[in-house]
Amino acid sequence: GAGVSQTPSNKVTEKGKYVELRCDPISGHTALYWYRQSLGQGPEFLIYFQGTGAADDSGLPNDRFFAVRPEGSVSTLKIQRTERGDSAVYLCASSALAAVTGELFFGEGSRLTVL
Amino acid sequence: GESVGLHLPTLSVQEGDNSIINCAYSNSASDYFIWYKQESGKGPQFIIDIRSNMDKRQGQRVTVLLNKTVKHLSLQIAATQPGDSAVYFCAENGEGFQKLVFGTGTRLLVSP
Repeated sequence: GAGVSQTPSNKVTEKGKYVELRCDPISGHTALYWYRQSLGQGPEFLIYFQGTGAADDSGLPNDRFFAVRPEGSVSTLKIQRTERGDSAVYLCASSALAAVTGELFFGEGSRLTVL
Repeated sequence: GESVGLHLPTLSVQEGDNSIINCAYSNSASDYFIWYKQESGKGPQFIIDIRSNMDKRQGQRVTVLLNKTVKHLSLQIAATQPGDSAVYFCAENGEGFQKLVFGTGTRLLVSP
């Protein structure tokens, strides 16, 4: 597609469950980012991929969070043993040139609600 | 930790007025700043950026001003239109381009 695609757009789960959020970046974009946005707040960095490797995962809050990008395109953010505090919009972004400008192309996000 | 903040959480203007959205940053290592626009239910959209070797940059109807002395950033929108209604975030690259730090955001409401 023309833009960054994220699925699902909405996910409701129960505390303790496992969830996966998918991101399909713009074709040809080598850099991929995950951010988390809580209500009324700005996006918060989670992890950055350059190609297949996680170049910086320092924003992941704890070891329940993990992300992969096995073929350098689609990425999956995985959250184990979800907690109510994980409820947020998870934003994926991609860019053609990494570490050059801040022009990230964001998807519409996956809204996660943990009951 | 370092943070980026905004002075005004909500700004209401009339259509046709000029809007000014302000942002304060605290990371003196930041040398690149960006403004994003976020409409309801959508992801942030890049508006304009500025590097620290500049104090002003203009785009289409938008101007970003940077005052490094007081660590202040502003976004000016000329002839504001109802379609400009959104939340505006400033962001900085204090910890690297791939790790932008976003402010809390200012909601701009434009009345016809």
